[in-house]
Amino acid sequence: NAGVTQTPKFRVLKTGQSMTLLCAQDMNHEYMYWYRQDPGMGLRLIHYSVGEGTTAKGEVPDGYNVSRLKKQNFLLGLESAAPSQTSVYFCASSYKAGGPYEQYFGPGTRLTVT
Amino acid sequence: GEDVEQSLFLSVREGDSSVINCTYTDSSSTYLYWYKQEPGAGLQLLTYIFSNMDMKQDQRLTVLLNKKDKHLSLRIADTQTGDSAIYFCAETPMDSSYKLIFGSGTRLLVRP
Repeated sequence: NAGVTQTPKFRVLKTGQSMTLLCAQDMNHEYMYWYRQDPGMGLRLIHYSVGEGTTAKGEVPDGYNVSRLKKQNFLLGLESAAPSQTSVYFCASSYKAGGPYEQYFGPGTRLTVT
Repeated sequence: GEDVEQSLFLSVREGDSSVINCTYTDSSSTYLYWYKQEPGAGLQLLTYIFSNMDMKQDQRLTVLLNKKDKHLSLRIADTQTGDSAIYFCAETPMDSSYKLIFGSGTRLLVRP
């Protein structure tokens, strides 16, 4: 049981390049989330999904797109990377939404945009 | 609006108690959480408290909730070097059960 895994762990992009971050969970969770973590700002929700085939915007969705084609995978895309998207990205999943259902986090992807 | 605030840093001696504080603004929050982040890792849920409770104890951890002042605290008894990490307070607003609103995190350093 791997829990939540993220690929890649590190990436350096040039401004304007695109990439996709992959999140996978093996816990059969309905809900999945993408967050970004910036120094001194905690985690902010980018997009989330309440089930296969559905996605919704979070707090800071601009510049990102997501897809949930399979229940176990949640992809985060950057179409044209900007230096402001330099951050650590965390994926999470949960059985249900709200409390007290725990969100399980992946180990993170450190992205640098130069 | 929703806002969760924490102090940035706390340093304690091994064996002492640590108290990490958090304030929040959304009085309709249903659940409040403490997550722990170790270096290079994702967040892990430590404990949570329902908004109609004022205290919860779980082994070395004690959570106190003062709903009137919108103040949440996490006390770690007999703090160990393995407790060194960043601790995040988070809330679930009643009107948006999908969201977790995180504070900026408190870095706890435990000195031997």
